[in-house]
Amino acid sequence: AQKVTQAQTEISVVEKEDVTLDCVYETRDTTYYLFWYKQPPSGELVFLIRRNSFDEQNEISGRYSWNFQKSTSSFNFTITASQVVDSAVYFCALSEAIRGAQKLVFGQGTRLTINP
Amino acid sequence: DTAVSQTPKYLVTQMGNDKSIKCEQNLGHDTMYWYKQDSKKFLKIMFSYNNKELIINETVPNRFSPKSPDKAHLNLHINSLELGDSAVYFCASSQRVAGYVGKTQYFGPGTRLLVL
Repeated sequence: AQKVTQAQTEISVVEKEDVTLDCVYETRDTTYYLFWYKQPPSGELVFLIRRNSFDEQNEISGRYSWNFQKSTSSFNFTITASQVVDSAVYFCALSEAIRGAQKLVFGQGTRLTINP
Repeated sequence: DTAVSQTPKYLVTQMGNDKSIKCEQNLGHDTMYWYKQDSKKFLKIMFSYNNKELIINETVPNRFSPKSPDKAHLNLHINSLELGDSAVYFCASSQRVAGYVGKTQYFGPGTRLLVL
């Protein structure tokens, strides 16, 4: 069965520090997709990134970067020079395609608090 | 314009009542989903419809009945509400998943249901 583990329940850092959120997944599929979503205190779920299992290149978007390592089944997320607005719960998710639809299996989430 | 919208945003009701949550997307997607987020922030898929056809039905009590009148709408009706149904319910939509190609799911703002 698909499984996603985010071992860090809560992380608290001071503004401008770099922080890495860990995500480890389990799947028997050879083709799959991984996602990160952000849930700020206002409650909505905001899409951050989608990565397929064949693309192991790291991705950078501004202060955000993602490190995908198939050998260790990990898809970690780093925020550089963190800001208070980055405070949120972050979810890693793994996809399973089912007849035209797609089931997302979410990790437990990591609550990130950036202190001024 | 809001891409995925849900009504109502908040729902407070008594145990035993029946209630509905509505979801609409204007992204032109074929596939829609319902997820439940419990008090510990854990997100789990409930249902998925692809162009009005039920594709995913995770072990959800049959008090929950989704209905998709057209591919832009997916409603959730809950009968005989129980205390344990208190949660945030998220609607999402995506393009149809073809083969193993993953598609991004875009989430609505959520409906916070409180059963007293």
